[in-house]
Amino acid sequence: EDQVTQSPEALRLQEGESSSLNCSYTVSGLRGLFWYRQDPGKGPEFLFTLYSAGEEKEKERLKATLTKKESFLHITAPKPEDSATYLCAVQYLGGGADGLTFGKGTHLIIQP
Amino acid sequence: EAGVTQFPSHSVIEKGQTVTLRCDPISGHDNLYWYRRVMGKEIKFLLHFVKESKQDESGMPNNRFLAERTGGTYSTLKVQPAELEDSGVYFCASSQARGFNRELFFGEGSRLTVL
Repeated sequence: EDQVTQSPEALRLQEGESSSLNCSYTVSGLRGLFWYRQDPGKGPEFLFTLYSAGEEKEKERLKATLTKKESFLHITAPKPEDSATYLCAVQYLGGGADGLTFGKGTHLIIQP
Repeated sequence: EAGVTQFPSHSVIEKGQTVTLRCDPISGHDNLYWYRRVMGKEIKFLLHFVKESKQDESGMPNNRFLAERTGGTYSTLKVQPAELEDSGVYFCASSQARGFNRELFFGEGSRLTVL
């Protein structure tokens, strides 16, 4: 059973069309939930860390929220340069000392 | 400031051969991680070094994989002998702090193709 599930797998939006990406997790003892952005041929780039339900963080057009079982990455009025794969990862008790458990990612395309 | 660098960017080898991947972390980062993404799957944790010591190697697939970190600086990941299922992208990441500060800086990855 997947411990971190991201949906949708792919999303195509028009420039300016706001939407949300979902990351649901089934692990217990969450220590932190992380969002990364990955461009083609590059490594993941850190965006946010969320630690407890109810927490929110923002960066430019992105806002990440966390509940007890899922996280959302809200994208407001996206631009073509926001096109990328967005990865969610968790760190939890029993998940290895420092290893992150990743989801498969959401491939986001913003069309001009 | 230089980021995490990985070499080679792409390696194509025959099944049974040996490959060594190298990672140079950001200067001053004690924590170094190896991750792997197999096609169609999620990125998976392989192991974690703190300086020259292996802190957690619970993600290493089997004993064909050997990771070292000489003097707490750069790290190598050797696969010997390589199998078809070892194909994928190997990412290295480093961080200055541990615990809840999880801003990992990733390299661009080394793509391994085993034929």
